[in-house]
Amino acid sequence: AQSVTQLDSQVPVFEEAPVELRCNYSSSVSVYLFWYVQYPNQGLQLLLKYLSGSTLVKGINGFEAEFNKSQTSFHLRKPSVHISDTAEYFCAVSGQSTNAGKSTFGDGTTLTVKP
Amino acid sequence: DAGITQSPRHKVTETGTPVTLRCHQTENHRYMYWYRQDPGHGLRLIHYSYGVKDTDKGEVSDGYSVSRSKTEDFLLTLESATSSQTSVYFCAISPGQGSSSYNEQFFGPGTRLTVL
Repeated sequence: AQSVTQLDSQVPVFEEAPVELRCNYSSSVSVYLFWYVQYPNQGLQLLLKYLSGSTLVKGINGFEAEFNKSQTSFHLRKPSVHISDTAEYFCAVSGQSTNAGKSTFGDGTTLTVKP
Repeated sequence: DAGITQSPRHKVTETGTPVTLRCHQTENHRYMYWYRQDPGHGLRLIHYSYGVKDTDKGEVSDGYSVSRSKTEDFLLTLESATSSQTSVYFCAISPGQGSSSYNEQFFGPGTRLTVL
């Protein structure tokens, strides 16, 4: 079984500032890791994913995340945020041998970008 | 965008009535899921399907049933709706092994259900 902890429920930040959204996971098996974004009144869409290889993963809209196996973390970063990045962000983990491709999601982090 | 639709998009119903939500996909993906989203709880898996007529329970399955008679349709039924089932419901799909998107999930737009 896997679990995900998103360490911050809300992150306010000013426009053009850097941001980091933190995610820790727990698993007894090797994992795949994902970050999804949810804009108001929409479904989730994939930002980026780590499957294997380079621990630094780049995604859409200038976001990147780094997989740290020793610290069981997968923090999401962006060097300069825009108003349009205001959304809820979900970290998710899936065991590499998980039945039916199931993922476990964190509780979400609300990113609010202020002018 | 992945072809996933949910119907209805909004529904208000009364306690004790049955409710069925429909998820339809045009991607021919093997796996389908139903989640509920509530403030402070993220996404919680209700039921999932790994093929036609093959379904299993998630972490919050009490009070819900599902059916999948065709690859493209996954129905979620609340047999007797309660106020605690007021939530936003999301359907998601995922391709099987062998796809570069294996384990990645694609989400529908959601259904907002209010049980009075």
